[in-house]
Amino acid sequence: AQRVTQPEKLLSVFKGAPVELKCNYSYSGSPELFWYVQYSRQRLQLLLRHISRESIKGFTADLNKGETSFHLKKPFAQEEDSAMYYCALMANRDDKIIFGKGTRLHILP
Amino acid sequence: DAEITQSPRHKITETGRQVTLACHQTWNHNNMFWYRQDLGHGLRLIHYSYGVHDTNKGEVSDGYSVSRSNTEDLPLTLESAASSQTSVYFCASSESKETQYFGPGTRLLVL
Repeated sequence: AQRVTQPEKLLSVFKGAPVELKCNYSYSGSPELFWYVQYSRQRLQLLLRHISRESIKGFTADLNKGETSFHLKKPFAQEEDSAMYYCALMANRDDKIIFGKGTRLHILP
Repeated sequence: DAEITQSPRHKITETGRQVTLACHQTWNHNNMFWYRQDLGHGLRLIHYSYGVHDTNKGEVSDGYSVSRSNTEDLPLTLESAASSQTSVYFCASSESKETQYFGPGTRLLVL
């Protein structure tokens, strides 16, 4: 069964400290992984996808197939990073996206 | 600019009433999706469509229906609203194998 697990509901980090949002997935094939972000009272928007290998707003994520993980990292947190972050998986046989339950990131001043 | 819109943005209704939430996209995407967002559950897929006249049930489809008569619209109907359907509803669209673009959401309160 396809599953995305985000073990932390809430993560509080001081401004300037490193950030790591954890994501593990369960899928037997070759999935495509995404991170979506939702700022307060705004719509969800794509932050990054693993095939793009981009760094968006200082965030990066590396797909580790051995550990079935796709953790989101940023070396120095900024206050504007406070938001809800969702890890998501797209199976290679259809276009549905399975979302994790989300992690709320709170950047402390 | 192409976009995806939802209406209404806020809705209050009573238990037992039929409610329809609209979703309209101008990207000409074949794929459209409806999700509900609840604390502790994240985003859960309600229904989705891969093209005109195609509809499929998602993870939490009971009590909801959709129809796809054209490419641009995928209205979501709550046949008989229940308090458990109080939620924020998001519509999304995508092209095949591409990322989904989300609408602004509809906050529904069922009293």
